[in-house]
Amino acid sequence: QQPVQSPQAVILREGEDAVINCSSSKALYSVHWYRQKHGEAPVFLMILLKGGEQKGHDKISASFNEKKQQSSLYLTASQLSYSGTYFCGVIMIYNQGGKLIFGQGTELSVKP
Amino acid sequence: NAGVTQTPKFRILKIGQSMTLQCAQDMNHNYMYWYRQDPGMGLKLIYYSVGAGITDKGEVPNGYNVSRSTTEDFPLRLELAAPSQTSVYFCASSYSGDASYEQYFGPGTRLTVT
Repeated sequence: QQPVQSPQAVILREGEDAVINCSSSKALYSVHWYRQKHGEAPVFLMILLKGGEQKGHDKISASFNEKKQQSSLYLTASQLSYSGTYFCGVIMIYNQGGKLIFGQGTELSVKP
Repeated sequence: NAGVTQTPKFRILKIGQSMTLQCAQDMNHNYMYWYRQDPGMGLKLIYYSVGAGITDKGEVPNGYNVSRSTTEDFPLRLELAAPSQTSVYFCASSYSGDASYEQYFGPGTRLTVT
């Protein structure tokens, strides 16, 4: 049931763009995105809901393709501060009680 | 607001010992969660609570117990520690279990069992 993230790791230069994908084998109701810097707690980035509603970070964009059971996180004009591990957490049914099932993470390194 | 706080930050246990990881939140959140994160891996849900007095198992509950006597506190108990429980433990909370509410994470407890 764990969603699969791709790529597993990506290295960028400042200013470059990246896309991180999160795919599920089952239908999704909601996808959450979090970023975790090394040695720190995960921090909320975005929530995407079935039906198109979104909530979250102004400078980060994401999409949710319900038919493909997939979400993508778009990081444009990357900054050094974007470095970290990105996790998607999925909710498959409406009454899942907030229990997120997380992917294995995508490690992003932004170099000067 | 302090948000979600966890103690201790680090702990080394010997095999067979027990300990309690403390978690508290001051945001008046109803839902609280315990996750473990193994090196290079994602977060796995151990237990969660939808309110004081109500707890339920997550994906990996074996070897752990929880209680929730107040809205603010959600301690995690490890009984008979094993090397497989070496991990980083995160506590999180959210206002609601609705899919539109984000989770707030504590700073984590790094536990080593030797």
